[in-house]
Amino acid sequence: DGGITQSPKYLFRKEGQNVTLSCEQNLNHDAMYWYRQDPGQGLRLIYYSQIVNDFQKGDIAEGYSVSREKKESFPLTVTSAQKNPTAFYLCASSIAPSGTGLVTQYFGPGTRLTVL
Amino acid sequence: AQTVTQSQPEMSVQEAETVTLSCTYDTSENNYYLFWYKQPPSRQMILVIRQEAYKQQNATENRFSVNFQKAAKSFSLKISDSQLGDTAMYFCAFDAGNMLTFGGGTRLMVKP
Repeated sequence: DGGITQSPKYLFRKEGQNVTLSCEQNLNHDAMYWYRQDPGQGLRLIYYSQIVNDFQKGDIAEGYSVSREKKESFPLTVTSAQKNPTAFYLCASSIAPSGTGLVTQYFGPGTRLTVL
Repeated sequence: AQTVTQSQPEMSVQEAETVTLSCTYDTSENNYYLFWYKQPPSRQMILVIRQEAYKQQNATENRFSVNFQKAAKSFSLKISDSQLGDTAMYFCAFDAGNMLTFGGGTRLMVKP
């Protein structure tokens, strides 16, 4: 099946620990994105990548890091520098980057991160 | 910077009736794209409908349609013949060429 997978579905972290969230897509999409969603709020962009080996900061990149070594994978690391990491994290991909026409982002099922 | 505003935090509608969700945005761009996404309790974000700003004709997808008023910077979503499965958070989103900007969402409850 084609789609976007995120793992794990639920993740618990102790304060001071780094943790990595996985995002994989088999849609052959060039662009991938990470969003954060807090309760009762909309999505905010953390990082995005338009091509392999390139990525850009979004609105709330502080305390997060990413890599894009393969087209199909875009892992997000939540570092200990992120002061309030408990949230729902959504990964998305699009066939082409924004700015190249009508480009729709498709989303994975999300990961719920809780800091204990 | 673009902003997207959804002024109705919560709405409810009886099954089989019609409901309209509001969305306004602020931009100085002329070419852009608008989207409505649905987020049911599973929290999966699902595309409902999309609109290109240069097209005057309002987009329609089955029971879902939009009222796009470019001059007023308004992009409302109309759901006809509401079904229980339409119960979800609905997010309006704006793309002017570099990233999606989301509104705060409207929680829609469809009542039997």
